[in-house]
Amino acid sequence: AQRVTQPEKLLSVFKGAPVELKCNYSYSGSPELFWYVQYSRQRLQLLLRHISRESIKGFTADLNKGETSFHLKKPFAQEEDSAMFYCALSGQDGNKLVFGAGTILRVKS
Amino acid sequence: DVKVTQSSRYLVKRTGEKVFLECVQDMDHENMFWYRQDPGLGLRLIYFSYDVKMKEKGDIPEGYSVSREKKERFSLILESASTNQTSMYLCASQFGGRQQYFGPGTRLTVT
Repeated sequence: AQRVTQPEKLLSVFKGAPVELKCNYSYSGSPELFWYVQYSRQRLQLLLRHISRESIKGFTADLNKGETSFHLKKPFAQEEDSAMFYCALSGQDGNKLVFGAGTILRVKS
Repeated sequence: DVKVTQSSRYLVKRTGEKVFLECVQDMDHENMFWYRQDPGLGLRLIYFSYDVKMKEKGDIPEGYSVSREKKERFSLILESASTNQTSMYLCASQFGGRQQYFGPGTRLTVT
């Protein structure tokens, strides 16, 4: 069964502090992992996907198959990073996504 | 730019009413999805469709049905709304195995 776990419902950090949003997954094959973000009053949108290996808005995420994790990191948080973040997994059919429960990131000034 | 629109941003219905939520995308995407978004539960897939007139159940299809008569339009139907269907409903479209594009959401309240 495919499962995505985001252990933190809320992560609160000060501006300028490092951020790490945790994501662990359960999948027997080779998954594709994504991070989606929803800013206040905006629609859910893709932030990044592991196959592209790029940094978006200063965020990066590395797929660790040994630890079955795909944690999202940013070295210095900004107030505009405050949002709901969802980790998601796509299995072999490449279409359906399984989402985690989400983590609210709150960056305080 | 992909545009996914949903027929209503807010909807209030009474228990037992039949409810239609519509989603339209303008990018000729084959795949379309309906999710519900609840705090602490994330997004859960209700139904999805890979093509016109095709539909497949997601993880929580009970109490819902869907219709896809045209490629650009995917409708979610609550046959007899119940209070436990009060939620935010998100529609998404996708081309192949690429990213999903989401609509703005419909916040449905069933009283």
